[in-house]
Amino acid sequence: GQNIDQPTEMTATEGAIVQINCTYQTSGFNGLFWYQQHAGEAPTFLSYNVLDGLEEKGRFSSFLSRSKGYSYLLLKELQMKDSASYLCAVLDSNYQLIWGAGTKLIIKP
Amino acid sequence: IAGITQAPTSQILAAGRRMTLRCTQDMRHNAMYWYRQDLGLGLRLIHYSNTAGTTGKGEVPDGYSVSRANTDDFPLTLASAVPSQTSVYFCASSESGGGNQPQHFGDGTRLSIL
Repeated sequence: GQNIDQPTEMTATEGAIVQINCTYQTSGFNGLFWYQQHAGEAPTFLSYNVLDGLEEKGRFSSFLSRSKGYSYLLLKELQMKDSASYLCAVLDSNYQLIWGAGTKLIIKP
Repeated sequence: IAGITQAPTSQILAAGRRMTLRCTQDMRHNAMYWYRQDLGLGLRLIHYSNTAGTTGKGEVPDGYSVSRANTDDFPLTLASAVPSQTSVYFCASSESGGGNQPQHFGDGTRLSIL
């Protein structure tokens, strides 16, 4: 079967750095997405990785290791508005998106 | 403002009733999707459409039907609602299907079946 694993919940302090991990076992791989979802709102696109390595976009970076079936989202200089769920999704061999259950990130002052 | 509009925002429905959730996008995206999101689970694909006139089944299509008569609209119909269909439903679109383009989501419809 196909599986995406993320921690259910994480807590971090305002101004700090947090790393949200995602491991996947899917039938094929055609890329990995990260989305942000604030409570009661729609998911919004953050990043896309298809090659190994780190992609940096402002305070957010995303890393991929295809050989390990592993990705992480790195959030720097945390702000209260970063409190949200972060969803990892993998594009499988049929180009269907397989979604993880999401990681709820709580930011404390 | 360009984007995806879903209606209604929320609905309480008696079991056995028929319900259509509406979704309209003005980005001229070819591909559209319907997901349901339940607590503790990832988004699950119900149906999708890669282009107007075509539709396909996702992971959890039973009890749902869709149509894609034109590029902009992608309604989702529950023919006879059951309590297990209580969920938050998201419509999404992307420039094309089966590729690496990000999906853009509507604000969701919160549906409760009693």
